[in-house]
Amino acid sequence: EVQLVESGGVVVQPGGSVRISCVVSGFTFEDYSFHWVRQVPGKGLEWVSGVMWQEAWQGGSTYYADSVKGRFTISRDDSKNSLFLQMSSLRTEDSALYYCAKESYSGGLDIWGQGTTVTVSS
Amino acid sequence: EIVLTQSPGTLSLSPGERATLSCRASQTLRDNYLAWYQQKPGRAPRLLIYGASNRAIDIPDRFGGSGSGTDFILTISRLEPEDFAVYYCQQYGSSRFTFGPGTRVDF
Repeated sequence: EVQLVESGGVVVQPGGSVRISCVVSGFTFEDYSFHWVRQVPGKGLEWVSGVMWQEAWQGGSTYYADSVKGRFTISRDDSKNSLFLQMSSLRTEDSALYYCAKESYSGGLDIWGQGTTVTVSS
Repeated sequence: EIVLTQSPGTLSLSPGERATLSCRASQTLRDNYLAWYQQKPGRAPRLLIYGASNRAIDIPDRFGGSGSGTDFILTISRLEPEDFAVYYCQQYGSSRFTFGPGTRVDF
C-alpha cells in the first residue's frame, strides 16, 4: 500500500527548533521529488518546501517559500525512505498542519500524508 | 513568485448543477503546469487535474480542466453530493510552487 506517514504532533516555544519527518512506503522513494505543504486550520494551503529526486553523485535540489527561507531546511534520506523538515527560529505564525506530499511524474502532488500538527506557543 | 487568484471565493449550487471555477496566474505558466485539488474537512487534498486538463487516476469524468497561459478553469459538469468541498489550484511551472486561496463549493 502506498503511504506517507508523518511524525507525531509537536509543541515548541517561539524561537525554538523542531524536526518533523515523513516515512514513505509502497513505492521507490528515491525516484521521486517530495514537498511539504502546510495549512492553518480553516485556511488555505501554503507550499513550504520541496526536494527533488537526486542523482547518485549529487544531492537533490531544494526550494523554499519566502516565508520560511533561511529558517527551514528540507532533506531526505533515501536509505530510510524518509523526508525531513528542520524548522528553526519558529514563530507563532508557523503553527499549522504540515503535510508531506509526493510529486507525480506527470505533474501535481498525487500522494499526501495525513499531516502532523506543529504548534508554536509559549 | 507566481501568484494565483481564484474566483469566486464561494460558489453556492445544488446537486446536479454545473460548477465553473476560475484560476488566474500572475504570469504565464510554463507548459500549462497547473493542477487542481479537492479538499474535504479533516482530509488531505486530493489531486484532480494536472497539466491544466488531464484527470488524475480514478477521478470521475464529470471533472474537467481547461485553459492555458494565465487563465484556467475547473468544471464539474453535474455536481454530486460528495463534490461539495474546497477546490485549490496550484502551479508547478516554477520550482517554488504556489497555491491559490481556494473556492468553496457549497449547497
